[in-house]
Amino acid sequence: DTEVTQTPKHLVMGMTNKKSLKCEQHMGHRAMYWYKQKAKKPPELMFVYSYEKLSINESVPSRFSPECPNSSLLNLHLHALQPEDSALYLCASSQDRLGETQYFGPGTRLLVL
Amino acid sequence: AQSVTQLGSHVSVSEGALVLLRCNYSSSVPPYLFWYVQYPNQGLQLLLKYTTGATLVKGINGFEAEFKKSETSFHLTKPSAHMSDAAEYFCAVSVSRAGSYQLTFGKGTKLSVIP
Repeated sequence: DTEVTQTPKHLVMGMTNKKSLKCEQHMGHRAMYWYKQKAKKPPELMFVYSYEKLSINESVPSRFSPECPNSSLLNLHLHALQPEDSALYLCASSQDRLGETQYFGPGTRLLVL
Repeated sequence: AQSVTQLGSHVSVSEGALVLLRCNYSSSVPPYLFWYVQYPNQGLQLLLKYTTGATLVKGINGFEAEFKKSETSFHLTKPSAHMSDAAEYFCAVSVSRAGSYQLTFGKGTKLSVIP
């Protein structure tokens, strides 16, 4: 099974709301990733977790707060977002080695009003 | 720093024609290269990847790519395009950073298939 699941599929939120995106994998992968993707652009790396520890934060604004409760789960907590944060948010996982395939989830389409 | 460059942001082919999507890499060490496909409003799906060994890599849906070190290229081909191949295609290279590993993507190529 090479499936990464993400919930919700769609999310509409106001600028004062707090919401969370969830990602889950059961492939035994020890690296998990959050990406942001705008229309007609490649995915843009936000965060990398390696063995449940945050290893890369691409200078993402603090209104995005990642969390890795265990090796199978990855959350992205959202607070006080801006309309420009509207995008497709993708989660991925892989073995924590160079050259390993990243498996992507279907994404959460986020609209900030 | 390792990177990939995709030539052509948009490629149009007729159904049944050859598909050729271009990717060139920049790397001082042997690269690990990937091609992903993304259909509208979906995540990315691996088409194929090159690590070591055979330079001609076969992937899913009839796609293949050839790693050419002398040309620093990893172009994606398919002999006969199908309507279902219309999608966005991303070339990527695996890089090591801060004790972790990440993918660096090209800007993507949108493939249109004309009936």
